[in-house]
Amino acid sequence: AQSVTQLDSQVPVFEEAPVELRCNYSSSVSVYLFWYVQYPNQGLQLLLKYLSGSTLVKGINGFEAEFNKSQTSFHLRKPSVHISDTAEYFCAVSDILTGGGNKLTFGTGTQLKVEL
Amino acid sequence: DAGVIQSPRHEVTEMGQEVTLRCKPISGHDYLFWYRQTMMRGLELLIYFNNNVPIDDSGMPEDRFSAKMPNASFSTLKIQPSEPRDSAVYFCASSLRWGGRTDTQYFGPGTRLTVL
Repeated sequence: AQSVTQLDSQVPVFEEAPVELRCNYSSSVSVYLFWYVQYPNQGLQLLLKYLSGSTLVKGINGFEAEFNKSQTSFHLRKPSVHISDTAEYFCAVSDILTGGGNKLTFGTGTQLKVEL
Repeated sequence: DAGVIQSPRHEVTEMGQEVTLRCKPISGHDYLFWYRQTMMRGLELLIYFNNNVPIDDSGMPEDRFSAKMPNASFSTLKIQPSEPRDSAVYFCASSLRWGGRTDTQYFGPGTRLTVL
């Protein structure tokens, strides 16, 4: 079964500083990879996704992520964060061979707190 | 589009009572997912449907939980009888699949369930 590890439960960062949120997944088979953001008392919103092709994926709100198959990682980055980026971020993976890629396994989330 | 609609947004009930959570997926989406989010276990997939048919219910915790999708625009998740450990936020999500690959799952705002 797939598993997703988000090593950092909380990441504090100052406004306008760069940030990287780490995500590693377990399986070496073909996968789809996703980053979702959850603002307080709201549902999850897709930031970006990797299905195939270029390993550098750009998403909304200036975020990007790089798929590294050899390291089974999909780290999320933003060169300059804003106060409004304060939220919880979830990495998710689906195994293409299991359920056609529809079954998402989520990490435990990383709380990003942007400070002035 | 109104997005995925869930009702109620908040539910407080007493142990032993029946609870029914409702979801209206995005029109035209043929996949529907139910998730549960808790501090202890994070986001867990409970069950998902394709074209109103349950495909994978391996995440349903026990027989007290049941889900139905009588038509393409409505699904319910029922807990009977409810227990305090069922307290969580329950999310519904829907997606469209085409071309042999999965599309983004769009999440509803969630139902916060508290069982006293």
